[in-house]
This record gives sequence, structure tokens and C-alpha cells, in this order.
Amino acid sequence: GDSVTQMEGPVTLSEEAFLTINCTYTATGYPSLFWYVQYPGEGLQLLLKATKADDKGSNKGFEATYRKETTSFHLEKGSVQVSDSAVYFCALRGKAAGNKLTFGGGTRVLVKP
Amino acid sequence: KAGVTQTPRYLIKTRGQQVTLSCSPISGHRSVSWYQQTPGQGLQFLFEYFSETQRNKGNFPGRFSGRQFSNSRSEMNVSTLELGDSALYLCASSDRGGGPDTQYFGPGTRLTVL
Repeated sequence: GDSVTQMEGPVTLSEEAFLTINCTYTATGYPSLFWYVQYPGEGLQLLLKATKADDKGSNKGFEATYRKETTSFHLEKGSVQVSDSAVYFCALRGKAAGNKLTFGGGTRVLVKP
Repeated sequence: KAGVTQTPRYLIKTRGQQVTLSCSPISGHRSVSWYQQTPGQGLQFLFEYFSETQRNKGNFPGRFSGRQFSNSRSEMNVSTLELGDSALYLCASSDRGGGPDTQYFGPGTRLTVL
């Protein structure tokens, strides 16, 4: 079945540091890929998405590129802020899965001033 | 547009009781999905409803059930609660029946089973 693996946290960074969160997936066909962010006490917010190979999703300084050859969708941000402290989830939706999302385990990111 | 709303936000129940959670999707959205979030199992898909029909179901026991009304509002029910049902239950809505689409999540209902 479909699965998503992402690096475990917590990831602790200083403000303005470079952030990378690795995400790899297993799925049949070509799924759509997503990054969601969850702030304390809140639900999930869509951060970015990509629906086909080589697509690059971007939002709020975050980027991720759909790499079919390595089945990866790594999240990057060039200069993090304290307000980026949150839990980040990588997810996929298989082509035959309707709107079912399969999530990775989440990566907690803590940015210190 | 108003976002996805979930009620109640917090619930405390005891083992053996049943509980009903409610989700109101974004206006015009017809698909509603439910997820359970726990520290141990992470985010797991429960079920999806579209136009009042369940069209996808996760690997949960029959104690977990749901329904969707003609106005797209959805409820999920958990009967005979167990301690392990303590979790954050998230609802998500989207505006189409399938294909690449964005799901919008509500703030969740935090259920505590004592």
C-alpha cells in the first residue's frame, strides 16, 4: 500500500538557518504530493503541493520538488524564522484513493532566536 | 468563506460511552474526510463521504462510523469508547469529488477517554 516516510525530529535551528526536511514515498502510479503544517493547538494547513513529476510547489518561502526517480518530495526553506516553529507533515494522495491522504509521521521544527 | 468548523472542540468521555463529533465543511464543498491523530499512530484516515455516500474507508473497527447530510455536514460516531480512542479527530473538506484537489482541515475535536 501507499506509505510516506519523513525524517524524525525534533529539528532545532537558529533563526535564518537553512531548513531541509526529507520525505520519501511509496505508491503505485503517480500520486499527488503535499506538505502540511500544524501549529500548536491547531489543525493542518496546506503549505504546498505538487501533482506531477518535476513540479515544484512553493509557498511562504518553502519549496519542494516532486522527484519521481527518487520518489522524494523534500521540503526546504532558505532562512527560517521563529514563526516557522511547527510540525510539518508530508502526505500523498494516490490516483485511485479519492481524497484519502496518507501521511508521514511528522517532523517537529523548533526555531530559536 | 468561513473555514471548516468542528464541534465540540473538546470532549471528555468515559470508557464504554459513545460520542458524536460534527463537522461543517466550507460552503460548496461536497467531500468530507475524517482523520484520527495520536502521538503513537500519527495521522490515520478514517473515512470519506461525498454526496452523502461513504466512498472510502480506513482500517478502523466498526465502532467508528459516520454519515453525511444533504447539506454536506458530516458526523462521526464512536461507540463503546476505549482508552485508545483518545485522540485529535480532524475533519477535512474539498470541493470536488476526486482528482487532484486541495483539502482544507478544521481545528479538530480533542477527545479524551477516561
